[in-house]
Amino acid sequence: EVQLVESGGGLVPPGGSLRLSCAASGFTFSSYWMHWVRQAPGKGLVWVSRINSDGSSTNYADSVKGRFTISRDNAKNTLYLQMNSLRAEDTAVYYCARDHPGTTGIYYYYYMDVWGKGTTVTVSS
Amino acid sequence: QSVLTQPPSASGTPGQRVTISCSGTSSNIGSNTVNWYQQLPGTAPKFLIYSNNQRPSGVPDRFSGSKSGTSASLAISGLQSEDEADYYCAAWDDSLNGWVFGGGTKLTVL
Repeated sequence: EVQLVESGGGLVPPGGSLRLSCAASGFTFSSYWMHWVRQAPGKGLVWVSRINSDGSSTNYADSVKGRFTISRDNAKNTLYLQMNSLRAEDTAVYYCARDHPGTTGIYYYYYMDVWGKGTTVTVSS
Repeated sequence: QSVLTQPPSASGTPGQRVTISCSGTSSNIGSNTVNWYQQLPGTAPKFLIYSNNQRPSGVPDRFSGSKSGTSASLAISGLQSEDEADYYCAAWDDSLNGWVFGGGTKLTVL
């Protein structure tokens, strides 16, 4: 069964750090780009970051650039999100998601086809 | 403030057809495909429509998507109580170099 399981969330004071993990199983992890998406309490989905299949290329939302680092260990089938200088507005459920590419022959398309259940990060003193 | 604009709420009675709109710009919807995600209460999002109008296996054909210019829409026909959920549109944004989501639409089945 294709599965993503996040862990590492918790309560952290403002300015603190936390590392999230996302364990993948049931598919060839090293072949897929991966994402982190977050959802603040009662709010909508917000994309956080993306990493390519071998970890050589990354993208970040402006709101986390310079503070968060996405990485992966393909030998361990695990995706990470290192979060530093945390702020109250980073409080959210963090989901990891798999990127699914495709083509119609005319254009390429991408979507997030597998999602984990999420891990909760609370930034508060 | 989300980059893609959706109505915060929509509603319908069982059996009705409802549509949810998603408005963007030339740098996102205007130049890339649109995906739709469904989030049932208390659960993780699930992909519903990809590449503007494609349904993955397992998604009922009551759900359909379309795109025109810088706008997209999700239509749900034959509304059922289990369709009550939050719905999000998403697209890659060439200017921001990242994915952008709509603010979400809460669908209520009356």
